[in-house]
Amino acid sequence: GQNIDQPTEMTATEGAIVQINCTYQTSGFNGLFWYQQHAGEAPTFLSYNVLDGLEEKGRFSSFLSRSKGYSYLLLKELQMKDSASYLCAVRDSNYQLIWGAGTKLIIKP
Amino acid sequence: ETGVTQTPRHLVMGMTNKKSLKCEQHLGHNAMYWYKQSAKKPLELMFVYNFKEQTENNSVPSRFSPECPNSSHLFLHLHTLQPEDSALYLCASSPFSEGGTTGELFFGEGSRLTVL
Repeated sequence: GQNIDQPTEMTATEGAIVQINCTYQTSGFNGLFWYQQHAGEAPTFLSYNVLDGLEEKGRFSSFLSRSKGYSYLLLKELQMKDSASYLCAVRDSNYQLIWGAGTKLIIKP
Repeated sequence: ETGVTQTPRHLVMGMTNKKSLKCEQHLGHNAMYWYKQSAKKPLELMFVYNFKEQTENNSVPSRFSPECPNSSHLFLHLHTLQPEDSALYLCASSPFSEGGTTGELFFGEGSRLTVL
């Protein structure tokens, strides 16, 4: 079966750095997505990786290793507004999105 | 504001009621989706429409009935639901259903459904 694993919950301190991991086992691979979802709001697109390596976008970076079936989302200089759930999703060989259950990130002052 | 609007935001219904969820997108996309989001579970894809044609139905019970009258509007008709159907129902749109660009999804804020 297809599976996406990510931690259920993480806690970090304002101003610090946090890394949210995502491992996947899917039928083929056509890209990996990270979305952010604040409580009661719509998920919004953060990043897309299809080739190995690091994609940087401001305070957020996303890394992919296809050989290891692994990705992480790195958040730097954490702010209180970064408290949200972070969803990892992989597009398989049929271009279907397989979703993880999300990681709830709690930022403490 | 994501360009995808869902109404109502909250809905409480009994098991014998009939209600509908509405989604409208102002992004000019040609693919629209219904997802179910339950606490601590992955998003579950329910239905996909491409150019108003249903291209995906992931074994969803018939008590959920989608309708796509045009590429900007999507409905989910609800009838004889069960308490376990209580969840957040998310609508999304994208420029392509498969291949092409990154395939980024644009989500609405969801309709929180409670079935008593």
